[in-house]
Amino acid sequence: NAGVMQNPRHLVRRRGQEARLRCSPMKGHSHVYWYRQLPEEGLKFMVYLQKENIIDESGMPKERFSAEFPKEGPSILRIQQVVRGDSAAYFCASSPGTQTNTGELFFGEGSRLTVL
Amino acid sequence: DQQVKQNSPSLSVQEGRISILNCDYTNSMFDYFLWYKKYPAEGPTFLISISSIKDKNEDGRFTVFLNKSAKHLSLHIVPSQPGDSAVYFCAARASGSARQLTFGSGTQLTVLP
Repeated sequence: NAGVMQNPRHLVRRRGQEARLRCSPMKGHSHVYWYRQLPEEGLKFMVYLQKENIIDESGMPKERFSAEFPKEGPSILRIQQVVRGDSAAYFCASSPGTQTNTGELFFGEGSRLTVL
Repeated sequence: DQQVKQNSPSLSVQEGRISILNCDYTNSMFDYFLWYKKYPAEGPTFLISISSIKDKNEDGRFTVFLNKSAKHLSLHIVPSQPGDSAVYFCAARASGSARQLTFGSGTQLTVLP
């Protein structure tokens, strides 16, 4: 499967616990983006990473949220001390290092976080 | 501050007729616009895009029109098919940006058989 892979697809956490969401980009893609979709809303940009570098984290909440894309392995979005408002679908997208003709991002199927 | 707006949360169209989905934007720095389609419990999939140097792009049943002076774009689907029923997101990218996209809130299209 050459698509963007996200896991887990569904994650349930209690308030105060930690959530870790993983994303493996498409083969050959070195750029990863995380988006969040709250119920009844559109996708909101959170963070853009390249291998071992955070390029733009302007959409990340200042506290409790962090992201990484190590040299080896998937990108990880980490949410510490989750609250009910963190319940959402988290989508990862990837793109190649060079500009594609269409400028599109390729999305995974999302990880749905439910905080009880 | 919503830079990309889709003012119609939903749209119903009869099979075989034209579907027109609208999108407005406020950021003059946007130079590339995309439409994504999303089914429930799936990720968004790319549909069609248009550069700001063009005013129309066509791909099969899908055509996107861009009116830069009005900061407005639209997606036309003709003829509409029941399988087109999905949420459609308009997205835009600013020139010089790090390629991230700004999305609208989406329009739920329902094509009635």
